[in-house]
Amino acid sequence: LAKTTQPISMDSYEGQEVNITCSHNNIATNDYITWYQQFPSQGPRFIIQGYKTKVTNEVASLFIPADRKSSTLSLPRVSLSDTAVYYCLVGAATSGTYKYIFGTGTRLKVLA
Amino acid sequence: GAVVSQHPSWVICKSGTSVKIECRSLDFQATTMFWYRQFPKQSLMLMATSNEGSKATYEQGVEKDKFLINHASLTLSTLTVTSAHPEDSSFYICSARVLVGGAINTGELFFGEGSRLTVL
Repeated sequence: LAKTTQPISMDSYEGQEVNITCSHNNIATNDYITWYQQFPSQGPRFIIQGYKTKVTNEVASLFIPADRKSSTLSLPRVSLSDTAVYYCLVGAATSGTYKYIFGTGTRLKVLA
Repeated sequence: GAVVSQHPSWVICKSGTSVKIECRSLDFQATTMFWYRQFPKQSLMLMATSNEGSKATYEQGVEKDKFLINHASLTLSTLTVTSAHPEDSSFYICSARVLVGGAINTGELFFGEGSRLTVL
């Protein structure tokens, strides 16, 4: 079971770049890494997904080293509205099904 | 992106009653849906995997007779909390997997808005 480990919390200031690293030492060969953002009392929202190297979209970049045992979500120039909990998610194939176990997530607080 | 809708978004009930929460995939078919619960300031905890047309697979420690899951169609899964008690008060979130290129591992999860249950 691919367990993920992230820092519990981070603080940043508006306009700064924020990098959140996730460890997933037991990731399987075919597994992708997906990052989600969650605001209070809402369901998680998809940010970005990747398999290896670097992926970039309009809101974030995802860096995955060659061994794929970790990944880093990069949020450029954060604003107050980026204050949220960020989860990295790796699926797990077990007992004939494929499911997703959440880790602790990283609580990001953006300060003015 | 794909849309997953939950209903109701919040519900208050008396202890001992049952509550049903619906999860619908609005613009895609979902053969598999997942049910999570989340307590304040905590992460999401997987309760069960719901498969269309078959019995749900429950995580260890989750009472299947208390949390009844039905996935009767490709767009609807329901979670019924039976004989609810105050300790069942929580935020319940469903998600559905969208396959990309037919590969399960690359599937992106789309989440509903969540349903907050308060049991008095």
